[in-house]
Amino acid sequence: EVQLVESGGGLVQPGGSLRLSCAASGFTFSSFWMGWVRQAPGKGLEWVANINRDGSEMRYVDSVMGRFTISRDNAENSLFLQVNSLRVEDTAVYYCARDDREWGTDWSQGFDYWGQGTLVTVSS
Amino acid sequence: EIVMTQSPATLSVSPGERATLSCRASQSIGSHLAWYQQKPGQPPRLLMYVTSIRATGIPARFSGSGSGTEFTLTISSLQSEDFAVYYCQQYNKWPFTFGGGTKVEIK
Repeated sequence: EVQLVESGGGLVQPGGSLRLSCAASGFTFSSFWMGWVRQAPGKGLEWVANINRDGSEMRYVDSVMGRFTISRDNAENSLFLQVNSLRVEDTAVYYCARDDREWGTDWSQGFDYWGQGTLVTVSS
Repeated sequence: EIVMTQSPATLSVSPGERATLSCRASQSIGSHLAWYQQKPGQPPRLLMYVTSIRATGIPARFSGSGSGTEFTLTISSLQSEDFAVYYCQQYNKWPFTFGGGTKVEIK
């Protein structure tokens, strides 16, 4: 059974930092792109970042570029999101999600598994 | 970035009726579209990918259609468990973007 379990969220002051983690199990972690998607309270979904299988390619939404860093440890089946210089508008539930890819073309086919999320609250 | 616009924002439907949800992309995305269902307090669940392919375990009453910039998710006969918020997402170009969602509520 595929499982994604996030941790590391919490209350932090503006300008602060956190490191979000996602522990993966039930599949060959190193074979999949992974991503982070966030959802502000009562709002819709926003894609944040993706990372390829070996960690050599990272993609970010413009609003977090230079502040957030996605990484992975395939030996530990773990995904990370380092979030720095946090702003009030970064307050959200952060979901870890698996980005399934089509065999051959490597086109994304959407996020097929999601964790339960970890809440990041940025407030003074 | 590609802007995804969903309509309507809220859809009131009686159980057993058909629901039709729309999603429009600001530029062509081919068939690189996914649909998700989200219930309160839960993460999203993948329903459809490549516009019209049902994800594992998704019942046949869900269907997707469209290409280019106009897409539709149809639920043929709404069941009680289908009342939720639905999001479309394009993965044709970075950054991936989601629509604002359509809430399907009981009429």
